[in-house]
Amino acid sequence: GENVGLHLPTLSVQEGDNSIINCAYSNSASDYFIWYKQESGKGPQFIIDIRSNMDKRQGQRVTVLLNKTVKHLSLQIAATQPGDSAVYFCAEINQGGSEKLVFGKGTKLTVNP
Amino acid sequence: DTAVSQTPKYLVTQMGNDKSIKCEQNLGHDTMYWYKQDSKKFLKIMFSYNNKELIINETVPNRFSPKSPDKAHLNLHINSLELGDSAVYFCASSSRAHPGQFFGPGTRLTVL
Repeated sequence: GENVGLHLPTLSVQEGDNSIINCAYSNSASDYFIWYKQESGKGPQFIIDIRSNMDKRQGQRVTVLLNKTVKHLSLQIAATQPGDSAVYFCAEINQGGSEKLVFGKGTKLTVNP
Repeated sequence: DTAVSQTPKYLVTQMGNDKSIKCEQNLGHDTMYWYKQDSKKFLKIMFSYNNKELIINETVPNRFSPKSPDKAHLNLHINSLELGDSAVYFCASSSRAHPGQFFGPGTRLTVL
């Protein structure tokens, strides 16, 4: 079903802190996951992805963790900056199935200077 | 060098009118999509085309008709616009080698 969801709809952090955004998904057949960042008035921007055969992937200041046992995905942002303020979406896809990208509800991250 | 572009960015129109939104991608991708984002920021896929062929058609009213003249373009035509059609519409594209989708800047449609 389409139950990719987020635990927290809003998250407020201080500049310089680390941020963690969580996502729960329901389709155990999903094999590819993406985090998107959407700034106000713009389209979703690809941040980082992870395939189901991995449990961790690191990018520049961002890390995605995947726990398939509990169907949980998280995005960690190190040393959060005001420019990180945006709505973050997780998305899942079953490449061998519908090939449809299913988005979660989104978490609004606010970084306080 | 915009990767995925959409026109217009804003569209304000009266109920009952017919309007089109255009999308172009210069990434060489073979799959393009249309999404609708509602006022609560929820993103839902509407259509997907692969090499000009429709592959995903969600439960969208048939007033919405996508058209893909070539694999770099996917336009969305909407007939008899209704108040509930007001939303932001995003075009996206992806390649078979990488399922991550790249999104356009969006078109904010307001139906009065």
